[in-house]
Amino acid sequence: KAGVTQTPRYLIKTRGQQVTLSCSPISGHRSVSWYQQTPGQGLQFLFEYFSETQRNKGNFPGRFSGRQFSNSRSEMNVSTLELGDSALYLCASSPTSVQSGEQYFGPGTRLTVT
Amino acid sequence: KQEVTQIPAALSVPEGENLVLNCSFTDSAIYNLQWFRQDPGKGLTSLLLIQSSQREQTSGRLNASLDKSSGRSTLYIAASQPGDSATYLCAPRSMDSNYQLIWGAGTKLIIKP
Repeated sequence: KAGVTQTPRYLIKTRGQQVTLSCSPISGHRSVSWYQQTPGQGLQFLFEYFSETQRNKGNFPGRFSGRQFSNSRSEMNVSTLELGDSALYLCASSPTSVQSGEQYFGPGTRLTVT
Repeated sequence: KQEVTQIPAALSVPEGENLVLNCSFTDSAIYNLQWFRQDPGKGLTSLLLIQSSQREQTSGRLNASLDKSSGRSTLYIAASQPGDSATYLCAPRSMDSNYQLIWGAGTKLIIKP
């Protein structure tokens, strides 16, 4: 089975722009979660989707949004980019609900904002 | 609010040693706990998942234990190898945080050949 895939792997954007990151979960997995990882703050939870519905959201501003499609693929959007948004963005999928399932992570998208 | 502490923050040992990584959490009301490893600049690889009703899980040279009442988990690595060099993260899934994974800062492990 193919693992979790994330595209693009690397991205450089300018302050004020917007960006969309994509995540394809493991086949058959219905839950997708997004995390931001920075050296200063470590791993922080962004949001979780299950069957196209956002079930959980972390403490991030409204500039961070996401969605999940009927095939379980998910996208994350960040509008009006700030320098502090530079981070590794990780996506994880689980077979069923987040509560019970083991999470499998993708390789991440490295976003650099200049 | 659940807080997770991992000790030590960094560890450097010669190849072949058995070692223990520690994880403590403040809220014992957890659903499960997962251990991950992360190689530099890469994503996370799941190592072991322990459900709250379990005491330990084993996978190859790895053994993770869970003592929910005392808020502790340990990851035991037997016969360490240079390929084990990575950052190890523990993440309990806390019921009070709406089942989010709550992350420790990790233990950076270096195994010297």
